[in-house]
Amino acid sequence: SQQGEEDPQALSIQEGENATMNCSYKTSINNLQWYRQNSGRGLVHLILIRSNEREKHSGRLRVTLDTSKKSSSLLITASRAADTASYFCATARGAAGNKLTFGGGTRVLVKP
Amino acid sequence: DTEVTQTPKHLVMGMTNKKSLKCEQHMGHRAMYWYKQKAKKPPELMFVYSYEKLSINESVPSRFSPECPNSSLLNLHLHALQPEDSALYLCASSQERAGGRQSSFFGPGTRLTVL
Repeated sequence: SQQGEEDPQALSIQEGENATMNCSYKTSINNLQWYRQNSGRGLVHLILIRSNEREKHSGRLRVTLDTSKKSSSLLITASRAADTASYFCATARGAAGNKLTFGGGTRVLVKP
Repeated sequence: DTEVTQTPKHLVMGMTNKKSLKCEQHMGHRAMYWYKQKAKKPPELMFVYSYEKLSINESVPSRFSPECPNSSLLNLHLHALQPEDSALYLCASSQERAGGRQSSFFGPGTRLTVL
């Protein structure tokens, strides 16, 4: 079963606009990770936010985490056509390894 | 080298065939994973190897048989698959002690079609 649910399932925006997607999860976490997947290919790690962090930035990406609401958001600012992809949040279970449970994903289409 | 490679990129097989998927990484990661991803769905964990030993099998049917010959290689042997097994199979690796504190590195996947 999925740990997280993502909202919206799909998002279509114009180049230059911001894209925001949300993720909710069910159990306690140590950290939450965001990944991007281009058109049925491998996943690329974007950013990891620890449970004691509330906000983290990486380039045009901004991630927030609210552990009281068990939710996280990913904001992509000034979007580009190359940002067109599916975005997944993921939580890891257990102390060993990185056994990921993914949210349902948000498909983002950035129109030029 | 922060790359995970997978071969083949595409595989079409019949239900009576035996085939293998291969994965390789040279990052010194001692945890390796197989995920299965159906179209428009998130990846789902299948198997976890830790220090070349199978540590987790997520109730995967026995027609999927994983193997970790050494710390850099991970195989997935396929036999008597069903059409519903058609999916993208993703290999990943991470530090064994990541505990969610570090990211996983994913390969590009093998697109499997079972006829």
